[in-house]
Amino acid sequence: KAGVTQTPRYLIKTRGQQVTLSCSPISGHRSVSWYQQTPGQGLQFLFEYFSETQRNKGNFPGRFSGRQFSNSRSEMNVSTLELGDSALYLCASSSLGIQYFGAGTRLSVL
Amino acid sequence: DQQVKQNSPSLSVQEGRISILNCDYTNSMFDYFLWYKKYPAEGPTFLISISSIKDKNEDGRFTVFLNKSAKHLSLHIVPSQPGDSAVYFCAASFSGGYQKVTFGTGTKLQVIP
Repeated sequence: KAGVTQTPRYLIKTRGQQVTLSCSPISGHRSVSWYQQTPGQGLQFLFEYFSETQRNKGNFPGRFSGRQFSNSRSEMNVSTLELGDSALYLCASSSLGIQYFGAGTRLSVL
Repeated sequence: DQQVKQNSPSLSVQEGRISILNCDYTNSMFDYFLWYKKYPAEGPTFLISISSIKDKNEDGRFTVFLNKSAKHLSLHIVPSQPGDSAVYFCAASFSGGYQKVTFGTGTKLQVIP
């Protein structure tokens, strides 16, 4: 089975712009979660989708949003980018309580 | 509020010796615990897990211990190998929380040849 695929791998944006990140889960996995990783902060939970519905949401501002499509693929959008949004964004699909991560998208906001 | 804490940001161990990584949690509703390993430029990969009904789970060189009364778990790696050098994340979830998993901040393990 192919693993979790995230695109793009690297992204450079400027403050005020918006960005969309994409995640293709492992075939058959219906749950997709998104995390933000910054130095010293570990993995901060953003949100989780299951069958196109957001089931859980972390403590991030409304500038961070997501959606899931009928094929389980998911997108994450960040609007009005701030310097502090620079981070590694990780997507994970889940099965039986275990999460399988993609390699992440490294976002740099200048 | 950091519900899962890894108080040691880094750890260095000689090859062949035991590595012990520690994790504390505050939410007593957590009933499933996991360890993930992360290499640079890769996503975290699942290593081992333990349910709250157990106090120990073993998989090859890796053993996880859970002390529910102390809200503490640890990962033992014996013997440690240079390829084990990575960042290790402790994670916790609870039944009914669906897939919301809370991660610690990670411990960077360096195994010295």
